[in-house]
Amino acid sequence: GENVEQHPSTLSVQEGDSAVIKCTYSDSASNYFPWYKQELGKRPQLIIDIRSNVGEKKDQRIAVTLNKTAKHFSLHITETQPEDSAVYFCAANTNAGKSTFGDGTTLTVKP
Amino acid sequence: DAGITQSPRHKVTETGTPVTLRCHQTENHRYMYWYRQDPGHGLRLIHYSYGVKDTDKGEVSDGYSVSRSKTEDFLLTLESATSSQTSVYFCAIETEKYEQYFGPGTRLTVT
Repeated sequence: GENVEQHPSTLSVQEGDSAVIKCTYSDSASNYFPWYKQELGKRPQLIIDIRSNVGEKKDQRIAVTLNKTAKHFSLHITETQPEDSAVYFCAANTNAGKSTFGDGTTLTVKP
Repeated sequence: DAGITQSPRHKVTETGTPVTLRCHQTENHRYMYWYRQDPGHGLRLIHYSYGVKDTDKGEVSDGYSVSRSKTEDFLLTLESATSSQTSVYFCAIETEKYEQYFGPGTRLTVT
């Protein structure tokens, strides 16, 4: 089955700096790669996604890149703010509709 | 929140007792999922459903069963709860674009 590895497990940045979280996947059939943000005590929420026919996607301060050859994808957050502090999860999906999640990255943005 | 509710939101039960968690959606999505979330393990798939009476196992299905007799309801049953099943359980729906939206979660404690 699919295996998704996510790094780093914790990340601390100063407000205004950029943050990058990286994931690798194993199944070349995976074609949909979402990212979720989970605040303490809340449900995971979809923040951005990318499909296999696209190399990069941006939405305001967040962007995701995908390298299908190398089987890795990354989340980039620019101009970080304290409210970006949360746990971020990547996932890889096949057409079968099953998602495999990474173990999460705890991002702390220091004011 | 994509019209997803879970009940109960919190439950404490004793080892060996049966427990049923309910997930309810209002938007007729075909795919529904049950995950458990434990510290350091991210989200792990227990079972999923791709239609009424159509279900399949995920990576951590032992000790769990599911049923889906109506499109809107997906039930997760722990036949005989064990302490290792203490966790936070999330239900999710998946749209036709593979986007997953999560319910608010159920915190289950098995004593």
